[in-house]
Formats: sequence, structure tokens, C-alpha cells
Amino acid sequence: GENVEQHPSTLSVQEGDSAVIKCTYSDSASNYFPWYKQELGKRPQLIIDIRSNVGEKKDQRIAVTLNKTAKHFSLHITETQPEDSAVYFCAASPSGTYKYIFGTGTRLKVLA
Amino acid sequence: GAVVSQHPSWVICKSGTSVKIECRSLDFQATTMFWYRQFPKQSLMLMATSNEGSKATYEQGVEKDKFLINHASLTLSTLTVTSAHPEDSSFYICSAPGQGSSVAQYFGPGTRLTVL
Repeated sequence: GENVEQHPSTLSVQEGDSAVIKCTYSDSASNYFPWYKQELGKRPQLIIDIRSNVGEKKDQRIAVTLNKTAKHFSLHITETQPEDSAVYFCAASPSGTYKYIFGTGTRLKVLA
Repeated sequence: GAVVSQHPSWVICKSGTSVKIECRSLDFQATTMFWYRQFPKQSLMLMATSNEGSKATYEQGVEKDKFLINHASLTLSTLTVTSAHPEDSSFYICSAPGQGSSVAQYFGPGTRLTVL
């Protein structure tokens, strides 16, 4: 089955700097890759996603890149703000299913 | 947008009792829902896929007799933790896929279960 690895587990950046979180997946049949932000005790919130037929997607300060050959995808947050502090999860969804296999999470701290 | 609710938001029970958690899609129909478990400072682990009108599909290592799932309508799935023990204490979250061509999942607010 699918396995998703996520790095780093924690990340501290200064406000205004960029943050990058990387994930790798094992199942080449996975074709959908969402990123979720989760604040303590709350539900995960979708922040951006990408399908396997696209290499890059951007939404304001957030971007995701996908390398299908290498089976890895990354989240890029530019001009970080204190409110970006949260736990971020990547996920992979095997083709033909709505199932998500989540990465282990990255705790991002943006220092003011 | 798609809204998923859960009830209760938190529950405390005694060891050996059963607890039922409800997951509802409020403004859309969901033939499929998913149940996840999240221990403190850990990731979301998929427990099972809830299928409306048929049996749930459980992930490897999840005891189907302990975690009973019923998806009796297009807007409601329930998870019953039977004979709960302290090690079952966790954050349980459900989700449902969006509508149309979207494969994005929308998560419920979660239920924090504490077993004494």
C-alpha cells in the first residue's frame, strides 16, 4: 500500500522568510496530493492540492510542486506570518479511491 | 462549501463501555465517508472507509469488531467504539469527499474520546 514520508518534523522560520516542507510517496498510482493545515485541537483545513497531471500550483503565498518521476512533492510558503504557525500534513490519494494516506506532519513555527 | 459535522465534540467514558460518534454531511450527500484516528502529536491514521448501504472497509490492523461503522443514510455515518479501554483514547475525525469532480475531502471537527 501507499506510504508517505514527510520532512522535516519541525521547522522554525523568521517572519517573512520562506518555509519548505517535503513529502515522498511510494505508490506510483497515487494521483492526488493535498496539503492540510491543522491547528491544535481543530480539524485539518485544506490549503492547496495538486493532481498528478500538473507539476506546480500556486495560490497567493502558497505553492506546491510535484515531481512524479521522483515521487515527491513539496509545499512552499513565502513571506511567512505568525498565523502560519500550525502543523502541516501532506497526503497522497491512490488513483480510483478517495482514500488519503497522510504524512507524519510538520510543526511549523513562525517567529515574530 | 461542503460542511461535515461530528457529535459529540468530546466524550469521557468508563473502561468497558461503548461510545458512539456521529458524522454528518450537512449540505451534501456522501456515499463514502472516512474515519481517522489521531493520537497526540501524531498524524491522522485512516481506520476505515464507510460505505452507504454496505459494509465498511477496514484498514489493516484495525479491529472491525471493536470499531463498528454504520453508514445508514447518505448523510450519516456512525463509529461505535465497543468495550473502550484507555488505549482507545484519541481524537477521532471523519471526512467526506467533495462534490462533482473534486476529490478534496472535508473533515469534521473531530471527537476527543477519553476512556478512564
